[in-house]
Amino acid sequence: QKEVEQDPGPLSVPEGAIVSLNCTYSNSAFQYFMWYRQYSRKGPELLMYTYSSGNKEDGRFTAQVDKSSKYISLFIRDSQPSDSATYLCAITLGNQFYFGTGTSLTVIP
Amino acid sequence: GAGVSQSPSNKVTEKGKDVELRCDPISGHTALYWYRQSLGQGLEFLIYFQGNSAPDKSGLPSDRFSAERTGGSVSTLTIQRTQQEDSAVYLCASSTGTYNEQFFGPGTRLTVL
Repeated sequence: QKEVEQDPGPLSVPEGAIVSLNCTYSNSAFQYFMWYRQYSRKGPELLMYTYSSGNKEDGRFTAQVDKSSKYISLFIRDSQPSDSATYLCAITLGNQFYFGTGTSLTVIP
Repeated sequence: GAGVSQSPSNKVTEKGKDVELRCDPISGHTALYWYRQSLGQGLEFLIYFQGNSAPDKSGLPSDRFSAERTGGSVSTLTIQRTQQEDSAVYLCASSTGTYNEQFFGPGTRLTVL
């Protein structure tokens, strides 16, 4: 079993839709939970991070962590074509990072 | 400010040749990571440097892979006797090591013919 599982998609939504991206993980000791966005032929960039259960909001983005279910989500409200990218979840334990395979998202104008 | 830079951006080589990939981290970042990203495989951890400590090499897939970090700054990933399965994007990231936010470079796309 992989440490982190993520549905690779691809996901295609119309502009303005609410997008839900999800990951599950196996190790309850994981400490930090992050979401990265990666545009084509670029390196990943950090979108959001959290270390506790609950929701964290930043503009149109909300990161949600449910430690009891070992489940993390990223919600994008009012999605824009510029949100088209691959989204990777990442979970840390000490200095070890475990990344999901990424979900490819396309927002259609 | 300057981010993480990597060179070359693209590298095409023949099977059996050696390649060197370079990473310039953000100035002052003590932690440096190398990852490999293959299509549909996500980011595969290769090696981690933290300050002057011995590197964590647990992710290197074979003894053909090695990396060094000189003076706590620039790092070079070397792949000897390249194989076709080594074809991937190699990403470098650096971090202050605080809550471990990693800043990634644009990657080197390696193609082994």
